[in-house]
Amino acid sequence: NAGVTQTPKFQVLKTGQSMTLQCAQDMNHNSMYWYRQDPGMGLRLIYYSASEGTTDKGEVPNGYNVSRLNKREFSLRLESAAPSQTSVYFCASSPVQGEVVNEKLFFGSGTQLSVL
Amino acid sequence: GDSVTQMEGPVTLSEEAFLTINCTYTATGYPSLFWYVQYPGEGLQLLLKATKADDKGSNKGFEATYRKETTSFHLEKGSVQVSDSAVYFCALGGTGTASKLTFGTGTRLQVTL
Repeated sequence: NAGVTQTPKFQVLKTGQSMTLQCAQDMNHNSMYWYRQDPGMGLRLIYYSASEGTTDKGEVPNGYNVSRLNKREFSLRLESAAPSQTSVYFCASSPVQGEVVNEKLFFGSGTQLSVL
Repeated sequence: GDSVTQMEGPVTLSEEAFLTINCTYTATGYPSLFWYVQYPGEGLQLLLKATKADDKGSNKGFEATYRKETTSFHLEKGSVQVSDSAVYFCALGGTGTASKLTFGTGTRLQVTL
């Protein structure tokens, strides 16, 4: 079972460059999420998609855009990368639509992004 | 706002030692509490949970008790194994969307022979 797959696993960007982090799940889950993890801080929610065709801002959405391409895929785009976006990014999915039972989050293995 | 405080790591233990990872929280109302674990090279996965005061969550020999009076949810295991080496995250959340799931900073556990 692949579960939640994130690509790439590692990426180095220069300030101002753009890139898209890809996430796909094969569990037919309704909801998908993007988190970032920074040293000394917990995971913080960037954006989420409660169902196909909808997206909403989380705690730290500035500098990011997302696309829920279909039920399987949820991408995160950095239009103009900044050093403050150096972080580890996690994608997650959940089978519950709308009101989410928090414990049913399934995470990918993360993307380590460095912006120079 | 809601917050979770975990003990700083890394925690280094010998195999078969007793483990405690402290977690305290600040929240309004009565949140659910969780421990997630991240093994090397993998994503986070739910380890255990407790949904109300005095509940004890348990899984794979790990336990944590929801203590409302001390606002704590400490993770314990009586005898750790090398395979328990991972990063452990305490988290709190309600019954709403995942935007209300608040994570601690994570505690790295290293178990040696």
